[in-house]
Amino acid sequence: DAGVIQSPRHEVTEMGQEVTLRCKPISGHNSLFWYRQTMMRGLELLIYFNNNVPIDDSGMPEDRFSAKMPNASFSTLKIQPSEPRDSAVYFCASSSGLGHGTKPQHFGDGTRLSIL
Amino acid sequence: DAKTTQPNSMESNEEEPVHLPCNHSTISGTDYIHWYRQLPSQGPEYVIHGLTSNVNNRMASLAIAEDRKSSTLILHRATLRDAAVYYCILRDPYKLSFGAGTTVTVRA
Repeated sequence: DAGVIQSPRHEVTEMGQEVTLRCKPISGHNSLFWYRQTMMRGLELLIYFNNNVPIDDSGMPEDRFSAKMPNASFSTLKIQPSEPRDSAVYFCASSSGLGHGTKPQHFGDGTRLSIL
Repeated sequence: DAKTTQPNSMESNEEEPVHLPCNHSTISGTDYIHWYRQLPSQGPEYVIHGLTSNVNNRMASLAIAEDRKSSTLILHRATLRDAAVYYCILRDPYKLSFGAGTTVTVRA
């Protein structure tokens, strides 16, 4: 079975450029999560969606970050304009439901983003 | 949010058991205890979860104290592939809040 698919795997761009990260969740999963991992802050939840609707975006660092989920099989995380401090590994995860605390989240392999 | 406390690192020999402790003294009655691990250059991977009773699956066992203030993840026979960061998480209904985890090193 295909897992969570993220693209690109690596992205290097210059400060000020727009960056778009993409995620395809596992088919049939209705919850999607975006995380960011840095050495300083570890793994942080940025935003999560349920049935394509953003439920909690309190982890999004600032207005330069935006996320969309136009359908059940695709989500994007966009940074515009990008800054060097945005350099991190960004993970997408999906699960088959919210609530009850029992559903495991399945993570993609991440996008390693470097802003020069 | 209820917090967990884990040792920073543990070492083990290949084919020996590994016991990873986790303290969660402020756990509430409805908090599930989840364990994830992250291998180098990969995303986190679900290992196991439980509420009150001990749990077993093909990857590991989870032993939960009777008062639920602590738990132990048990890898029965460590392999080199088990070298990873292991996270103990009290799962609220929606979020996984990752701490620093325990870095497990397996010696051949």
